[in-house]
Amino acid sequence: AQKVTQAQTEISVVEKEDVTLDCVYETRDTTYYLFWYKQPPSGELVFLIRRNSFDEQNEISGRYSWNFQKSTSSFNFTITASQVVDSAVYFCALSDDVVVGNQFYFGTGTSLTVIP
Amino acid sequence: DSGVTQTPKHLITATGQRVTLRCSPRSGDLSVYWYQQSLDQGLQFLIQYYNGEERAKGNILERFSAQQFPDLHSELNLSSLELGDSALYFCASSPQQGADEKLFFGSGTQLSVL
Repeated sequence: AQKVTQAQTEISVVEKEDVTLDCVYETRDTTYYLFWYKQPPSGELVFLIRRNSFDEQNEISGRYSWNFQKSTSSFNFTITASQVVDSAVYFCALSDDVVVGNQFYFGTGTSLTVIP
Repeated sequence: DSGVTQTPKHLITATGQRVTLRCSPRSGDLSVYWYQQSLDQGLQFLIQYYNGEERAKGNILERFSAQQFPDLHSELNLSSLELGDSALYFCASSPQQGADEKLFFGSGTQLSVL
């Protein structure tokens, strides 16, 4: 069965600190996709990144970086030099390559608070 | 702004009642997904529609039903409401139905059952 685990329920950091959000997934499919979404206090989830199972290259986008490791079934998200605007709930999600229909499995989210 | 519109933003009702949540996807998006977000269960997938047809079903209760209309807007009907149905209900849309689709979420409907 597909499953996404975000063991960190809440994290607090002081502004400018680096923080890593963990995501561990389970799937039996060889083709799958991993995502991160951000849910700011306003409530609307916003897409951050997508990764497919065949691309293990790490990605960096500004202060954000993602580390995908198939060997440990992890897709971790690091924010460098955190800012108050990074305060949000972050969700990791998994999607399989199903022929008909699709559902995205979300983790329970990690609530990040950046303290000024 | 994601382009996905959900109405109403807030809904307060009583146990046993029936409500309808509405979602208008982004222009051109054919897939609509419904999710329920509660404090204790996180983001739970309910159902997906693609171009008017049901495509995938998650943990949706029998008291809940949904449909996608020819103009691609979708409605989620919740009946015989219970206190435990209180949650934030999200609609999301995507252009197609592939597993690699980016989802665009609406701002949600906060349902409170009293």
